[in-house]
Amino acid sequence: EDKVVQSPLSLVVHEGDTVTLNCSYEVTNFRSLLWYKQEKKAPTFLFMLTSSGIEKKSGRLSSILDKKELFSILNITATQTGDSAVYLCAGAPGNAGNMLTFGGGTRLMVKP
Amino acid sequence: GAVVSQHPSWVICKSGTSVKIECRSLDFQATTMFWYRQFPKQSLMLMATSNEGSKATYEQGVEKDKFLINHASLTLSTLTVTSAHPEDSSFYICSARVTNTGELFFGEGSRLTVL
Repeated sequence: EDKVVQSPLSLVVHEGDTVTLNCSYEVTNFRSLLWYKQEKKAPTFLFMLTSSGIEKKSGRLSSILDKKELFSILNITATQTGDSAVYLCAGAPGNAGNMLTFGGGTRLMVKP
Repeated sequence: GAVVSQHPSWVICKSGTSVKIECRSLDFQATTMFWYRQFPKQSLMLMATSNEGSKATYEQGVEKDKFLINHASLTLSTLTVTSAHPEDSSFYICSARVTNTGELFFGEGSRLTVL
C-alpha cells in the first residue's frame, strides 16, 4: 500500500525564521512528488518534482527530491505570517491516471 | 496555472436528500478528474478516480451507490451524494489532471452540511 508521511505534524515559528518541512514516500511506480499549500479552502499547487537533486524555487519557497532515499523537503526562508497554512505533499505514480497519495500535512503557524 | 471551478462552494441540505457537486476544468481538457474528501484537520482522502466516458474507479470503503460520479465530458465531472446523512457532512474537493504536464489542479472545494 502506498504511503506518504510528513513531519513535523505542526510547527510554530516567528516571522523571519526558516523552516524545513519533510516528506517521505513509498509509492508504487513513483513518478513525481507534489507539494501543496492549503489555507482555508482547497490546496494550491506549489511544486511538482520529478527528477532527483534538482531544486525547484519560487520566491522564498524551494523544494528538492531525493529519489534514492525516497524523500523531499520544502524550505521556506524569511517566513511571513501569510505562510501560515497546512502544507501537503503527495506522491503520484506513473500510471493509474496520476492518482495521488497524500501525506497527513504539516500545519505551519508563523507568529509576528 | 490551470483553473478548476467547483460548484457549489457551500451547501446545506436535509437528511435524505441528494446533493450534486460539479467540477469543471475551465481552460483545459481533463480526461481524468479525482474526487477527495477532507475531514477537519485531516488530509485529503481520495474517494474515486473519474475518467471521461467510463465508469469511475472507487477507493476501498467508498460506496459507489452513495457517491455517484459522472464524467460526461472532458471538462465536467459531477459527484452526487445520494440520500445524504449527517455523517456525509464534509469538505469535498475535486482535482483535474493536465494531460500534457501531469500537474493536478484543485477546485475550490464544496462544504456539505447535512442536517
